[in-house]
Amino acid sequence: DVKVTQSSRYLVKRTGEKVFLECVQDMDHENMFWYRQDPGLGLRLIYFSYDVKMKEKGDIPEGYSVSREKKERFSLILESASTNQTSMYLCASSARTGTDTQYFGPGTRLTVL
Amino acid sequence: EDQVTQSPEALRLQEGESSSLNCSYTVSGLRGLFWYRQDPGKGPEFLFTLYSAGEEKEKERLKATLTKKESFLHITAPKPEDSATYLCAPQRPGANNLFFGTGTRLTVIP
Repeated sequence: DVKVTQSSRYLVKRTGEKVFLECVQDMDHENMFWYRQDPGLGLRLIYFSYDVKMKEKGDIPEGYSVSREKKERFSLILESASTNQTSMYLCASSARTGTDTQYFGPGTRLTVL
Repeated sequence: EDQVTQSPEALRLQEGESSSLNCSYTVSGLRGLFWYRQDPGKGPEFLFTLYSAGEEKEKERLKATLTKKESFLHITAPKPEDSATYLCAPQRPGANNLFFGTGTRLTVIP
């Protein structure tokens, strides 16, 4: 079974703090994704990566950056957290070829005070 | 502009009462359409992928169908454990990402 894990289930941070969200997948997938999910807005893509050190902006990249130094790990960075970044953050991975099915982690509920 | 709309937003069913969830989309050159189930506080769980109009897929009490403009998720004789939010996500061409609807929150009452 595909397994995608995220470093924290719940996180509380202060405005202005630098925040790191970590995601690890164990299926040797080339593609990894970061989404945020808000009520009434659904899942929105922040960034994705199709290879180590490669990244592309999604629909809402402002205020975020990412890092992918190893194939299995994809990090989302909030350089200076703001209250409007309070959300559920979901990581996903998929293989480059085949069905493109994305497999999701359990999510991190981030609250910025 | 790509759009995806799921209806209804919320649906309450009695156990055993069959119904359908709708996903209407406007995506040029659709690569595929994905259905996921999401339980509260958890990540989405993959259910189906449909690739062409007329295709159908089944899993237990769920059956997904696809036309050129919409997809349906039919739930036959649902049980309380089917309660969840169901998300559809068309896949846009040239982009390795999914374009998610806001979901239908299904509650099945015993």
